[in-house]
This record gives sequence, C-alpha cells and structure tokens, in this order.
Amino acid sequence: GQQLNQSPQSMFIQEGEDVSMNCTSSSIFNTWLWYKQDPGEGPVLLIALYKAGELTSNGRLTAQFGITRKDSFLNISASIPSDVGIYFCAGPRIIQGAQKLVFGQGTRLTINP
Amino acid sequence: DTGVSQDPRHKITKRGQNVTFRCDPISEHNRLYWYRQTLGQGPEFLTYFQNEAQLEKSRLLSDRFSAERPKGSFSTLEIQRTEQGDSAMYLCASSPPGLAEETQYFGPGTRLLVL
Repeated sequence: GQQLNQSPQSMFIQEGEDVSMNCTSSSIFNTWLWYKQDPGEGPVLLIALYKAGELTSNGRLTAQFGITRKDSFLNISASIPSDVGIYFCAGPRIIQGAQKLVFGQGTRLTINP
Repeated sequence: DTGVSQDPRHKITKRGQNVTFRCDPISEHNRLYWYRQTLGQGPEFLTYFQNEAQLEKSRLLSDRFSAERPKGSFSTLEIQRTEQGDSAMYLCASSPPGLAEETQYFGPGTRLLVL
C-alpha cells in the first residue's frame, strides 16, 4: 500500500540539541500532519500543513510542507526531556469519501540529559 | 476541554472471547475513525463514519470486527472470537466538518492483549 518513509528511524541526542527529521512519499499529499506519541498513549497532533511551501511553527517545533508535495520536515529546537517520544508524519488519502490517514513508521527520539 | 475519549484504556482477554470498545469523539466533530496500531508501527486505518453512516472499511477489518455509531455520537468497535493476532492498540480519532476535515484528533487508545 501507500507508505510514508520517515528518517531517521531513531535519534539519540543530548538535551539542548536541535533535531531534524523528515518524511517522504512517492506520491503527492495535499496535507501533511505531524503527531507525537508517548508510550501507551494516542498520537497528539503537533502541526498541520495545508499548503505547499508552508512553514509553520508551534513553540520550539517548526514544520515545512515540501514544494514538491512529496515531503515534509519537522525541526525541534533546543530539545528538552519531555520531547522524548515517537514522531509520526501522516497524510490523508481520500477513499470513497473517507479521509484515511496514512502514517510513516515513526522516528523515535531519545534524549540524554 | 474534552478531547476524544476511549474506554477501556486496557483490556486483557482470553482467545475466543468477545470484546467491545467505546469511543466518544469531540462533540462538534461529525467524522469518526478507527485505527489499529501494532508495536513499532504507525496506526493503520480500519473504518470511518460520517455521522451515523459507516462509509469505508479496510480489508484489515475481518468479519469478526464490527463497528457502530448509532446516533452519530459515540462509536463502538466489537471484536468477536478474539485471536492472539488481534492484540494491538485500537485508536479512535475524530475530525470536524469543513475545510479542516482531514485534521484528525486521536484518543488515548485501548490496548488489547489476547492471551
């Protein structure tokens, strides 16, 4: 099926470092969504991108909707311990009226204090 | 501020038993989705409701799975004759009508373990 490829799969960083991760697809998406998931919890929406080229910030998080519509990037500045978790990108596919979200495999972020 | 809620949060059952999960979406959201997530993977779409109508079902949803949204508000997902392969996190999401309909908000999930 359609897949989103996230990289890196995991990151081990020091507290205070900046983080960059990306998500690519072989096909076009008209919306990109970034979620964070803590262990045992559901994904929490971080940023939604609706327009190619769009750059959107949410506190220390910044995400960009790639011009080709086939990729998106998420950056976290000055990481803190609560940033630990799994970050998923997702894009909607319309199937018989349903906005089915397709997810990447996730980027697991670990922070050493 | 009430987000999407799910009940129960955890369920342990024996193989062959039936289980039912409940999802309460954000109140003004008319679209409701069920996803399943296994360890190390992103969520996978199961089914979708617009108001009370079930408009799409994934091939992942075997005949043992049924979902309802009787009055267009809360939804239930039932698994009959559970199998060990059904062990997963079951996530519910909802989205508002209008331009942001693809922006889905997830509940905390129900983690199912089938022994």
